[in-house]
Amino acid sequence: DAGVIQSPRHEVTEMGQEVTLRCKPISGHDYLFWYRQTMMRGLELLIYFNNNVPIDDSGMPEDRFSAKMPNASFSTLKIQPSEPRDSAVYFCASSSRGRGMRLFFGSGTQLSVL
Amino acid sequence: DQQVKQNSPSLSVQEGRISILNCDYTNSMFDYFLWYKKYPAEGPTFLISISSIKDKNEDGRFTVFLNKSAKHLSLHIVPSQPGDSAVYFCAASAYGNQFYFGTGTSLTVIP
Repeated sequence: DAGVIQSPRHEVTEMGQEVTLRCKPISGHDYLFWYRQTMMRGLELLIYFNNNVPIDDSGMPEDRFSAKMPNASFSTLKIQPSEPRDSAVYFCASSSRGRGMRLFFGSGTQLSVL
Repeated sequence: DQQVKQNSPSLSVQEGRISILNCDYTNSMFDYFLWYKKYPAEGPTFLISISSIKDKNEDGRFTVFLNKSAKHLSLHIVPSQPGDSAVYFCAASAYGNQFYFGTGTSLTVIP
């Protein structure tokens, strides 16, 4: 099992630019989560999907953030336009209830908005 | 508002001694709790979990204790090893849906 795969590992962009983060969950997992790690709030849940359907996006900071899951093996988190305060590490995680409700995380995307 | 709180940002322990990491939660509906370990430049990895029907779960050197009345859980590592140096996140879930994480505690085990 390849695990959760995120790309890119690092992203440096300028304020106002569009940023797209990508995630491939573990095959067979039916839940996908996007988290953001900051010093102040720790791992903050942004949105999660079940069977490709967004279930709760109340953690998405504002309309500049959007997430999609067009199929069971791919999800994107887009920020448009990006701002310096969006700089953080973004993690994707997947899970399946059959696996004891434990999240499996990707290695994260370190985003820096200048 | 943080539903899961880890009030100690950092902890230093001598090798061989016990490490105790604490976590508090506010939502009485949480019924499943997990600890994750995170090394720099890596994603968090699962360490140990506990269901609300138990008050203790043990896995090798790691033991998690749950006090439901106090809405408090703790992770004990005995004996602590230098390789345990990492950031530890506490997480909680209600009915296996959303997982809420704390802000993490950075553990340093001194050789």
